[in-house]
Amino acid sequence: DGGITQSPKYLFRKEGQNVTLSCEQNLNHDAMYWYRQDPGQGLRLIYYSQIVNDFQKGDIAEGYSVSREKKESFPLTVTSAQKNPTAFYLCASSIALTSYEQYFGPGTRLTVT
Amino acid sequence: ILNVEQSPQSLHVQEGDSTNFTCSFPSSNFYALHWYRWETAKSPEALFVMTLNGDEKKKGRISATLNTKEGYSYLYIKGSQPEDSATYLCAFGTGGTSYGKLTFGQGTILTVHP
Repeated sequence: DGGITQSPKYLFRKEGQNVTLSCEQNLNHDAMYWYRQDPGQGLRLIYYSQIVNDFQKGDIAEGYSVSREKKESFPLTVTSAQKNPTAFYLCASSIALTSYEQYFGPGTRLTVT
Repeated sequence: ILNVEQSPQSLHVQEGDSTNFTCSFPSSNFYALHWYRWETAKSPEALFVMTLNGDEKKKGRISATLNTKEGYSYLYIKGSQPEDSATYLCAFGTGGTSYGKLTFGQGTILTVHP
């Protein structure tokens, strides 16, 4: 089955620790994205990548970092510089940017205490 | 950050009712407008991607229209069913230096009562 996997589903970390969220897709899509959802807010774009070895900041990139070394993988690191990291994180992919529908993973809920 | 507004925030209808929601977005530098359905405990799923002014899309009982000049899109559901209960998200894509980014609205939560 083609799709997007995110792991783990739930993640707990202590404040001050970096944490990496996994996102893998086997849809052969060029573009990948990371979004964050907070209660009462829409999805907000953290980072996106058009092709391998290329990525761009989204609207709320501060305190996050990404890499795109392989087409199928786009891990997100939440660093200790992110002031409010507790949130639901969604990864998505699409054939290409903007005009193509995005396919979403199941999400990771990160809790930092 | 671009402003994408959805209304209403939530909606309760009876099974069989037809309903519609609105997505408002900037009328300049339009590139694409997406609609997604997000059911509880599932991932968001694409309904439509529209790129041309006047576009109309249909999938079963759900349809959408697009007016890029005035900056709005309508999503219609005909004969709502309980399985239509979900959050409906729209997302605006623009060109220029922001090409590639989608800005999502807060969503409309639809509850269909049997």
